Amino acid sequence: AQKVTQAQTEISVVEKEDVTLDCVYETRDTTYYLFWYKQPPSGELVFLIRRNSFDEQNEISGRYSWNFQKSTSSFNFTITASHVVDSAVYFCALETWDDKVIFGPGTSLSVIP
Amino acid sequence: DTGVSQNPRHKITKRGQNVTFRCDPISEHNRLYWYRQTLGQGPEFLTYFQNEAQLEKSRLLSDRFSAERPKGSFSTLEIQRTEQGDSAMYLCASSFGESKETQYFGPGTRLLVL
Repeated sequence: AQKVTQAQTEISVVEKEDVTLDCVYETRDTTYYLFWYKQPPSGELVFLIRRNSFDEQNEISGRYSWNFQKSTSSFNFTITASHVVDSAVYFCALETWDDKVIFGPGTSLSVIP
Repeated sequence: DTGVSQNPRHKITKRGQNVTFRCDPISEHNRLYWYRQTLGQGPEFLTYFQNEAQLEKSRLLSDRFSAERPKGSFSTLEIQRTEQGDSAMYLCASSFGESKETQYFGPGTRLLVL
């Protein structure tokens, strides 16, 4: 079965703190893709990153970084020095052989000034 | 380059009425996807098109739902005889390529069935 779990339903941090959003996935496929999307209060899903299952290198983009560990089926997302504008719901997603994207339930992040 | 657009952004209807939503993908994107998102949940796949061909439909898509993409550009999603359980955000996404390319999402249409 294909599944994405985001155990943290809601997280609150104070501005400038670092925060890590957890994502654990399940799939039997050897080739798959993982994504993170951000959904601000306006509702539109904003693409953040796409990573294929053969590329386990961690990635950093500005204040964002991602840690992909195949051994634990995790693809965690860290925001460094959080800003109020980072407040949103963040979704981890998995795409497998049949081209369907399965989203996790999301983690709602609140950054308090 | 404009992103994915969806119309209307909001729709309120009475139970039993039919509604139709439109999605205009990013130009030259050959794949178009429809998702449904209920409050507090992640988006759930409904169906997708490659050009004008509808390639996959979820079991979530009951007989009351129909989607079309007649010319391989914009798409419509129609819900007939709406029920209160249809209240949700309907999201459209598009991508370019054969498979596994990043999907870019529109702002969604929020449907409320009274």
